[in-house]
Amino acid sequence: AQKITQTQPGMFVQEKEAVTLDCTYDTSDPSYGLFWYKQPSSGEMIFLIYQGSYDQQNATEGRYSLNFQKARKSANLVISASQLGDSAMYFCAMREGITAGGTSYGKLTFGQGTILTVHP
Amino acid sequence: GAVVSQHPSRVICKSGTSVKIECRSLDFQATTMFWYRQFPKQSLMLMATSNEGSKATYEQGVEKDKFLINHASLTLSTLTVTSAHPEDSSFYICSAPVGGANGYTFGSGTRLTVV
Repeated sequence: AQKITQTQPGMFVQEKEAVTLDCTYDTSDPSYGLFWYKQPSSGEMIFLIYQGSYDQQNATEGRYSLNFQKARKSANLVISASQLGDSAMYFCAMREGITAGGTSYGKLTFGQGTILTVHP
Repeated sequence: GAVVSQHPSRVICKSGTSVKIECRSLDFQATTMFWYRQFPKQSLMLMATSNEGSKATYEQGVEKDKFLINHASLTLSTLTVTSAHPEDSSFYICSAPVGGANGYTFGSGTRLTVV
């Protein structure tokens, strides 16, 4: 069974508009972490935002915010004021596993990814 | 901080030869390293997890004799693709867990082309 699901293979948005990238997850572990990464054509993985399962508030990082709906097991990424440089592939990922000393050693499971294209 | 340096960034090799990819943690000790493979426009698929001083743990369906992983020190993990074939052509990327909300640091990836 797919643990992380991104149902939007591709998304288009006009420059300066906001866009929401969908992500749903499945886990029975009460302690987990959700990540969003941006991967431009160069291939590097750029960390965007993190949400812990026990976090009470939705995470925000600059133009990025995470709409965390725990009961629905969704963790959608909202990008506000899109820029041309936001065009890239975006991945949602989930970490389950053991945390020791503040560092989790659990593996990341990635969703299928969404290719975002920002139009001028 | 918490940088993983991955080399080479690109490599082209002939079928039947072996290729070694290195990931070095530059400013921290990586007791664990995750190795992923990614085909164009697809997700990152975990191949194996290496732990310093012990045998790597391979994901189901990954041939351990073909993808040799070594994690001999706290700063170096290597992936060797043995007897490479064109179907092994892919983007390989390593990742290590780090403290804090960032969670993980990634190498810059290796684009392998087998001809």
